Amino acid sequence: AQSVTQLDSHVSVSEGTPVLLRCNYSSSYSPSLFWYVQHPNKGLQLLLKYTSAATLVKGINGFEAEFKKSETSFHLTKPSAHMSDAAEYFCVVSLGSARQLTFGSGTQLTVLP
Amino acid sequence: SQTIHQWPATLVQPVGSPLSLECTVEGTSNPNLYWYRQAAGRGLQLLFYSVGIGQISSEVPQNLSASRPQDRQFILSSKKLLLSDSGFYLCAWRQGSSETQYFGPGTRLLVL
Repeated sequence: AQSVTQLDSHVSVSEGTPVLLRCNYSSSYSPSLFWYVQHPNKGLQLLLKYTSAATLVKGINGFEAEFKKSETSFHLTKPSAHMSDAAEYFCVVSLGSARQLTFGSGTQLTVLP
Repeated sequence: SQTIHQWPATLVQPVGSPLSLECTVEGTSNPNLYWYRQAAGRGLQLLFYSVGIGQISSEVPQNLSASRPQDRQFILSSKKLLLSDSGFYLCAWRQGSSETQYFGPGTRLLVL
């Protein structure tokens, strides 16, 4: 079975400092992995996706993630946090014939002024 | 371009009342459609998905049902709501050739 584990339920950073949101996956084969962001009372927005092409994936708003098979990780990073980045972030794996999504438990990112 | 709509945006219903949430997609044909629920303080859980008209797969046994009467319409229903049905319901669509799902704005349901 495939699953994802988000290692931190809450992360706080100061504005202008780097962001690191950690995600580990388990899969019997090469998975498709995604990061989605959810702002308060809003739907989910796709940040980036990995689907077995380049291992370093660049997304919107300056975010990127690196697929590391040896570490079974897909951590999300951003060099410099902005106040508007404060939101909940979900690491997601796609599986099944209908590509059902399995979500991690989420990481709440707080950006301090 | 494709857009996905959900309504209502917010709903407050008494226990035991019926439910109907609607999701429609524009700008595409024969999409795969999904219903997810996000309970307070928890991640998202897949409830139902549909690969075509009248084709519904259920992921979790529950008090809810889904229907797809038209190609781009996906409905989530209940005959009698429970308190535990409260949550944020998200609809998503995916084109068959793509891995990516795109989410609607969601419906917040509060059962009292």
